[in-house]
Amino acid sequence: AQRVTQPEKLLSVFKGAPVELKCNYSYSGSPELFWYVQYSRQRLQLLLRHISRESIKGFTADLNKGETSFHLKKPFAQEEDSAMYYCASGAGSYQLTFGKGTKLSVIP
Amino acid sequence: NAGVTQTPKFRILKIGQSMTLQCAQDMNHNYMYWYRQDPGMGLKLIYYSVGAGITDKGEVPNGYNVSRSTTEDFPLRLELAAPSQTSVYFCASSYSRGDLFFGEGSRLTVL
Repeated sequence: AQRVTQPEKLLSVFKGAPVELKCNYSYSGSPELFWYVQYSRQRLQLLLRHISRESIKGFTADLNKGETSFHLKKPFAQEEDSAMYYCASGAGSYQLTFGKGTKLSVIP
Repeated sequence: NAGVTQTPKFRILKIGQSMTLQCAQDMNHNYMYWYRQDPGMGLKLIYYSVGAGITDKGEVPNGYNVSRSTTEDFPLRLELAAPSQTSVYFCASSYSRGDLFFGEGSRLTVL
């Protein structure tokens, strides 16, 4: 079975500091990887996906197959980035496996 | 567009009772899903559907049933509620792989 690991339950950073939210996956093939975000009192929503190689709200994520990682990064954290972040993996199906989530807290 | 609508938002059940969580989407998505999230855990897939009339089990289907008679609706039925089913339930829909649109969630407590 697939596994998605987010080692940090809580990550606190100061405003303007770099952010890295870690995600490791266990699928040995070519996974499809996603980051979802849930802001306070909002729905869980897609932030970005690895195949798009896009930057959303200043966040990027690079797939590293050698390390089976898909860490989410932002060079300068903003207060509005405070939220729960979930990494998810799909292995050629429509079923996604989610990690337990990391709560990002940006300190003003 | 309302997106994905779940009802009820909150419910308390007694052990052994049954109930249905409703989910509707107005985006004409073929794919719909039910997830549950226990405290401090990730979302676990209960059931999913790839189109009207087609449903399949996910990771944790025991104690639940679903149906998909229309593209829009995907109700989740709990039979004989147990304390282990206390959780937050999320319905989602998608038009492509991984692009899930979620409902606001339904918090269920079984006492």
